[in-house]
Amino acid sequence: DAKTTQPNSMESNEEEPVHLPCNHSTISGTDYIHWYRQLPSQGPEYVIHGLTSNVNNRMASLAIAEDRKSSTLILHRATLRDAAVYYCILRDDGSGGSNYKLTFGKGTLLTVNP
Amino acid sequence: EAGVTQFPSHSVIEKGQTVTLRCDPISGHDNLYWYRRVMGKEIKFLLHFVKESKQDESGMPNNRFLAERTGGTYSTLKVQPAELEDSGVYFCASSQFVTSMGYTFGSGTRLTVV
Repeated sequence: DAKTTQPNSMESNEEEPVHLPCNHSTISGTDYIHWYRQLPSQGPEYVIHGLTSNVNNRMASLAIAEDRKSSTLILHRATLRDAAVYYCILRDDGSGGSNYKLTFGKGTLLTVNP
Repeated sequence: EAGVTQFPSHSVIEKGQTVTLRCDPISGHDNLYWYRRVMGKEIKFLLHFVKESKQDESGMPNNRFLAERTGGTYSTLKVQPAELEDSGVYFCASSQFVTSMGYTFGSGTRLTVV
């Protein structure tokens, strides 16, 4: 499985934007970039995914570098409820018949200060 | 729609005993996945069901673990006999299609073997 590298922790203030980086220099052409987050005492929660173009949804935005070797999850206005561990995961699109398991790393622990 | 439901939420058993964890996926989701996090390690894939068939069980640690999904609805994960190193949080996730981009996870079952 292609690997990702994320900072162990980041800190933000409430109502400020947060940029969570992820490096994935060995990404293959069929790998999608997924982001999940895990709030305390909860299971992982899907946030967003993308392949090449930047993506926006109600939770966040995903900015993907042109060479796809890095990406950034953007929370436009952090709230206290966004405090969680954020995981950047590469997952094959499945066209080659591969399985679809998610490979979690250590993720980034985001602390949001009031 | 109802989410992925897991129970019990917590289980404390003695070494050598048997424990059965249950997962109810989102209705209509053919794909069901089990993951676990043990002793501060990363979340690891255990296995993947498509309906009642095991698609991939490469992450099952040993033959003390038995997963079933009779009728393609809910799934059970039995640990028999439980060992101390089985302590951790067991997560279940589901998706409608194998290629679905976002999996929905349950809140997990925290298993403590004493």
